[in-house]
Amino acid sequence: GQQVMQIPQYQHVQEGEDFTTYCNSSTTLSNIQWYKQRPGGHPVFLIQLVKSGEVKKQKRLTFQFGEAKKNSSLHITATQTTDVGTYFCAYAQGGSEKLVFGKGTKLTVNP
Amino acid sequence: AAGVIQSPRHLIKEKRETATLKCYPIPRHDTVYWYQQGPGQDPQFLISFYEKMQSDKGSIPDRFSAQQFSDYHSELNMSSLELGDSALYFCASSGRTVRGANVLTFGAGSRLTVL
Repeated sequence: GQQVMQIPQYQHVQEGEDFTTYCNSSTTLSNIQWYKQRPGGHPVFLIQLVKSGEVKKQKRLTFQFGEAKKNSSLHITATQTTDVGTYFCAYAQGGSEKLVFGKGTKLTVNP
Repeated sequence: AAGVIQSPRHLIKEKRETATLKCYPIPRHDTVYWYQQGPGQDPQFLISFYEKMQSDKGSIPDRFSAQQFSDYHSELNMSSLELGDSALYFCASSGRTVRGANVLTFGAGSRLTVL
């Protein structure tokens, strides 16, 4: 069945460094969402991408959806300690209410 | 703004006991979801309800059941608890999205510990 691989599993950076997490699918995705979960918290919606080649920005965060709609990335410029958490990509299988999450990338930031 | 309310926040049970988790979705959200998250794991979809009818089912054990009531609140019932059921259980709700998949708003979660 359709699966997404999220890499890396863990990323440790110094504050001020950039960070990128990737979500790769073996098949075409109709949409992709990104969520952030702070330690001890719950997933919080960040963005949804639906168009081929789509790029969206939220302050220091840049989200991309690949031209073939098989991969997506989240890039954070100049990380801050508030960026700490696990970033999940997620997608809905066609016609389903079910949102499937990737394994997540856990980001830690050294101040 | 009103959020998704889950109760209880923490629950400790013995093996083979029963537990019930409650979820109050955001008003006017028509879909409720239940997810299970083990330590260091991604959220795993259990079940969803659209307008009080079961709409999708994931990897929910037969020992678990869920329903959505007329006031839109939902309950997840777990029986014959096993040690492996210890996890965070999230409820989420969503309204209809014009484009793409439904956007989920998660509650704070209920942490179940089975001893």
